[in-house]
Amino acid sequence: SQQGEEDPQALSIQEGENATMNCSYKTSINNLQWYRQNSGRGLVHLILIRSNEREKHSGRLRVTLDTSKKSSSLLITASRAADTASYFCATDVYNNNDMRFGAGTRLTVKP
Amino acid sequence: DSGVTQTPKHLITATGQRVTLRCSPRSGDLSVYWYQQSLDQGLQFLIQYYNGEERAKGNILERFSAQQFPDLHSELNLSSLELGDSALYFCASSPPGGPSTDTQYFGPGTRLTVL
Repeated sequence: SQQGEEDPQALSIQEGENATMNCSYKTSINNLQWYRQNSGRGLVHLILIRSNEREKHSGRLRVTLDTSKKSSSLLITASRAADTASYFCATDVYNNNDMRFGAGTRLTVKP
Repeated sequence: DSGVTQTPKHLITATGQRVTLRCSPRSGDLSVYWYQQSLDQGLQFLIQYYNGEERAKGNILERFSAQQFPDLHSELNLSSLELGDSALYFCASSPPGGPSTDTQYFGPGTRLTVL
């Protein structure tokens, strides 16, 4: 079963705008990760945030984690057409060894 | 290129048949994970192996089985195939580490079509 749920399911923006995607999960976690998938390709790891961290940056990416609300957000600043992809959050469930992926947010960045 | 390889890239077969998907993890990675991605079910974790031993099991059907060999490559066997098994099957690997799962590196996937 899926642990994370991304919101929105689809997002369409213009190049240069910021894109924000949210992820909610249900159980305690060790860490939360965001992945990107171009159509029909493998997932690519973007960023990992541990349960004791609240915010993390990597280039144009900013991730926040609120463990009290069991939610995370991924912000992509100054988006580019090449950012068009599906974005998934994945949770490493506490006391478990598997990783649960959400259904993903489909981001379209128009040039 | 993640360093994880999967073969074959595409597989077309008939219902009732059996197929084997192969995965080679990144050099040095001990964990291998298998996922199924379909339009209606999203990305589903199937099973994880760590250094040859099964470590975690997800939504894997009894018709499916997997193993990890001493050279750390892994195979996913799918038998008595049904139309609904048509999906992308991904393998991922992760480096040895602590008790929690760290970054996973995904292969390009095998697209299985069951006719």
